[in-house]
Amino acid sequence: NAGVTQTPKFRILKIGQSMTLQCTQDMNHNYMYWYRQDPGMGLKLIYYSVGAGITDKGEVPNGYNVSRSTTEDFPLRLELAAPSQTSVYFCASSYMGTGANVLTFGAGSRLTVL
Amino acid sequence: AQTVTQSQPEMSVQEAETVTLSCTYDTSESDYYLFWYKQPPSRQMILVIRQEAYKQQNATENRFSVNFQKAAKSFSLKISDSQLGDAAMYFCAYRGITQGGSEKLVFGKGTKLTVNP
Repeated sequence: NAGVTQTPKFRILKIGQSMTLQCTQDMNHNYMYWYRQDPGMGLKLIYYSVGAGITDKGEVPNGYNVSRSTTEDFPLRLELAAPSQTSVYFCASSYMGTGANVLTFGAGSRLTVL
Repeated sequence: AQTVTQSQPEMSVQEAETVTLSCTYDTSESDYYLFWYKQPPSRQMILVIRQEAYKQQNATENRFSVNFQKAAKSFSLKISDSQLGDAAMYFCAYRGITQGGSEKLVFGKGTKLTVNP
């Protein structure tokens, strides 16, 4: 199994550009998450989804949008990129979302906005 | 809101020795989960160990063990017989509940562990 796959691994954007970070999991997990990790900080939740068609905001949702049309995919869209969105982004998934089921993380996507 | 505090930005240990990483958290919940994640330079987040708050017994995974003090809201990680491959950022995390009622993890800022040969 591939687990959680994120693309791209690296991207440089200009201010005002838009892009989509892709996330796919092949574990049939129903919960999926997007986190961002700023330098010297822990991870902060951007958006999460408890199943196909259902998404909700986390701690830092401004400037981002998500969709969940299938169980496997949970893309994160950045509209009008800003330097404050320079960060490493992690997608994660879990089954049923209980604490007994651990989050599986992707390898991360490093985004730089210049 | 739940918070997680890691008071040691950096720690170092000699190979084969023992090191303890500190973590405290704040919550009003009585049942929850706590985790330690390891993030090596590859950036991959790897689960090291987890603790269920209703279990009094401290979790152990090979060379990794925790000291869970529920009343003190403390959750430290002990690494025994440290190896060079243990060098990484270590994050303490608390399983909290989002407004929607689903699970989310609240992370501390991390402790960078260096292992000296």
